[in-house]
Amino acid sequence: DSGVTQTPKHLITATGQRVTLRCSPRSGDLSVYWYQQSLDQGLQFLIQYYNGEERAKGNILERFSAQQFPDLHSELNLSSLELGDSALYFCASSPSGGAADTQYFGPGTRLTVL
Amino acid sequence: GQNIDQPTEMTATEGAIVQINCTYQTSGFNGLFWYQQHAGEAPTFLSYNVLDGLEEKGRFSSFLSRSKGYSYLLLKELQMKDSASYLCAVRGAPNNAGNMLTFGGGTRLMVKP
Repeated sequence: DSGVTQTPKHLITATGQRVTLRCSPRSGDLSVYWYQQSLDQGLQFLIQYYNGEERAKGNILERFSAQQFPDLHSELNLSSLELGDSALYFCASSPSGGAADTQYFGPGTRLTVL
Repeated sequence: GQNIDQPTEMTATEGAIVQINCTYQTSGFNGLFWYQQHAGEAPTFLSYNVLDGLEEKGRFSSFLSRSKGYSYLLLKELQMKDSASYLCAVRGAPNNAGNMLTFGGGTRLMVKP
């Protein structure tokens, strides 16, 4: 158990819908990262937050957005869902987001879009 | 940009040693990570290399050569539970991109009795 929690564990929804995935980092960690893992794409970095501020952006679609709240939990919002958005979504956290930080991953949310 | 290559699949025998290679081409380098991931589960941290050389941690060791853009993960005394995917990830130089990791596609290791 890494100490990172994610809810829900599974999510099934329809195309065109909007969902919110939630992540709580390890106690004391200030930085949160979101990743998408689909069968044909591997683990893809989406976005990083540090202490409430956006720090880095990867290949995140405009239909996706995220935020980190004052209590440091983070939410990833996915809208206008398409079949291709079906994937495992992982959240990771690290102490400071600094160069030597190790990222610890949560158990993931499996999203299925029908 | 970053480009990371690792073999897609490998097979090894219980009790044996296996070496999983990773080559990378990056615009900057600030460390290389290895993660283990069982199917449908979270990646778990195995090792971190930022300087050249070998880092040993129990049955697992990781090696880095920055000049060659090359790393390997060595697993000794293989156990059935080591059957998993092994992900190589590179952290670029800190810049406006923060400290994002770029992951390779992973190497699926199957350990046979």
